[in-house]
Order: sequence, then structure tokens, then C-alpha cells
Amino acid sequence: SQQGEEDPQALSIQEGENATMNCSYKTSINNLQWYRQNSGRGLVHLILIRSNEREKHSGRLRVTLDTSKKSSSLLITASRAADTASYFCATKEYGNKLVFGAGTILRVKS
Amino acid sequence: KAGVTQTPRYLIKTRGQQVTLSCSPISGHRSVSWYQQTPGQGLQFLFEYFSETQRNKGNFPGRFSGRQFSNSRSEMNVSTLELGDSALYLCASSLAVPPPYEQYFGPGTRLTVT
Repeated sequence: SQQGEEDPQALSIQEGENATMNCSYKTSINNLQWYRQNSGRGLVHLILIRSNEREKHSGRLRVTLDTSKKSSSLLITASRAADTASYFCATKEYGNKLVFGAGTILRVKS
Repeated sequence: KAGVTQTPRYLIKTRGQQVTLSCSPISGHRSVSWYQQTPGQGLQFLFEYFSETQRNKGNFPGRFSGRQFSNSRSEMNVSTLELGDSALYLCASSLAVPPPYEQYFGPGTRLTVT
């Protein structure tokens, strides 16, 4: 089962623009993670934000978390063609089980 | 440090057959999880193994099984294949302790059932 919805389902932008993706989840969490997947390949871990954090940065990535609304957003600044990929949020249940959102397909046009 | 490896990368099987997929975790990682990815259902958790024991299981029929060896390598098996089993199967490994359990994914095995 999927944790929640991701919005938008697809996003197409020009190189240099910012891309924002949103994720909602259903249960209370300890942390939320974002992953990237290039064209049906393995997932790459991007960033993890803990439930007691509101914002976190990593390079051109900025993640926010609003536990009261059960939502998170991922901002990619100054996007590049190489950022073209699918982006997933994930929350962790018992053990190492990750529950993924449906994902946002990002296309960056050069 | 070598990443998570999965073999084979591509596989074509016929309905009714069985298949075994293999995953070698990052050295030192003791937790291995498996996921199925399909266009319709997205990424779904299959099971997790830790120290050769199944620690958690997703909502899949008993045709899906797995195991973990003492060197942490894991295999998953799907018996009596159905067309709907066509998917990308992803393996992820983790140190498991201490938290927060960042997981590292392999490139996946693309299974096509005809």
C-alpha cells in the first residue's frame, strides 16, 4: 500500500528553473526520506528529514516537513537536465519497511 | 565500497515457471529488503531479512518467498509465475543499527513474464 499522494504526478520545466514536489502521508512518522530514480533503475537516497525538523538542505535540495499537515515538499533549485528522474517520498514503518508515495516524474528541458 | 548488486539484471520467464533473484548487500550491511515496482501499484514492500530471519513481510501471496544467508546475501523466489508478476524487483540494504536506517538500493532485476 502506498503512504499517500505526491503532487504533481508530472512536472516539466526549463533548465535553471526551480522544481517543487509535494508529498502527503497518513500515519505519524519518525522521519521522511526522499529518493530519486532514473528511468526504471535503482533508487538513490537524496535526503532524510526527522520529525522534529522543519527544514533541511543538501546542496541544491531543500526539504520541508509539516507534521501537523502530514506533508513534505522537495525543492530542487537551479535544475539541470541531469535532474530528470522520478522522485519519491518514503516513510518508514516497522523494521526497515519503507512505504513510498506514487512519485513525481520530473523532466528538465535543456 | 561496492554498492548493492543484483543478479540477473534482466529475466524473461513463462507463466507457471519459477524464478530466483539474488541480492548482495553492501559489505557490513545486515538488513536486506525487497520491493516490487510496477506501473500500476508503484513501489511495494515485499519483505525484509535481518540476520537470516524474516523481520517483516508485505502483503503478497505465498508464491513470493525469500531467504538470507549467513553472509547477508539474499535471494527471493517467485513460484508459479503470473503475468502480473512482471515488474522491476529492487533490493535494498541497510546497516539496520543505529537509526535512522538509510537504505541503499541496487539497480534492480527486470522480470518479464510471458
